[in-house]
Amino acid sequence: AQSVTQPDIHITVSEGASLELRCNYSYGATPYLFWYVQSPGQGLQLLLKYFSGDTLVQGIKGFEAEFKRSQSSFNLRKPSVHWSDAAEYFCAVGTHSGNTPLVFGKGTRLSVIA
Amino acid sequence: GAVVSQHPSWVICKSGTSVKIECRSLDFQATTMFWYRQFPKQSLMLMATSNEGSKATYEQGVEKDKFLINHASLTLSTLTVTSAHPEDSSFYICSAPGTGGDEQYFGPGTRLTVT
Repeated sequence: AQSVTQPDIHITVSEGASLELRCNYSYGATPYLFWYVQSPGQGLQLLLKYFSGDTLVQGIKGFEAEFKRSQSSFNLRKPSVHWSDAAEYFCAVGTHSGNTPLVFGKGTRLSVIA
Repeated sequence: GAVVSQHPSWVICKSGTSVKIECRSLDFQATTMFWYRQFPKQSLMLMATSNEGSKATYEQGVEKDKFLINHASLTLSTLTVTSAHPEDSSFYICSAPGTGGDEQYFGPGTRLTVT
């Protein structure tokens, strides 16, 4: 069975600083990996996804993530954080078949300070 | 891109009553839909898998008689919370796989408050 670990419950960064949110997954086969962002009281917005190919994936809002099979990781990065990036971030893993549900990590709450 | 809608976006109901939440795939067909529940400051947890034309499958610990799921058409799944209690207050989110089969499309969620 798949599982996702997001080791950081809460991260605070200064506006303009770089950001890295950690995600480790457990899955026996090649995983489909996702990062979602959720603002308070809102639904999920897909930031980026990895299925295959280039292990560095570019997403929306200036985010990128790198798939490292050897480390079972899919960390999310952004070179310069904006105050509007403050939100909850979820890493999720799925299978090659879209007809299976995603398994989500517990999320990392990002706070941005001036 | 594919769009999934939910209705209502928020609902308040009294304890003991039932409430129905709809999940629709607007521009594609979905034989399978997934229902998740998210408690405040927690992650999304899968509740059940909704299958068009057959019974839903429920995750361990989810009461199938309390959370009734009906997937009557290829574009609509409904979740009915029966005899709601305050502890059922949560954010309910549905998703459906796209036609490509490799991505899930999430609805905007329904916030249920039981008083």
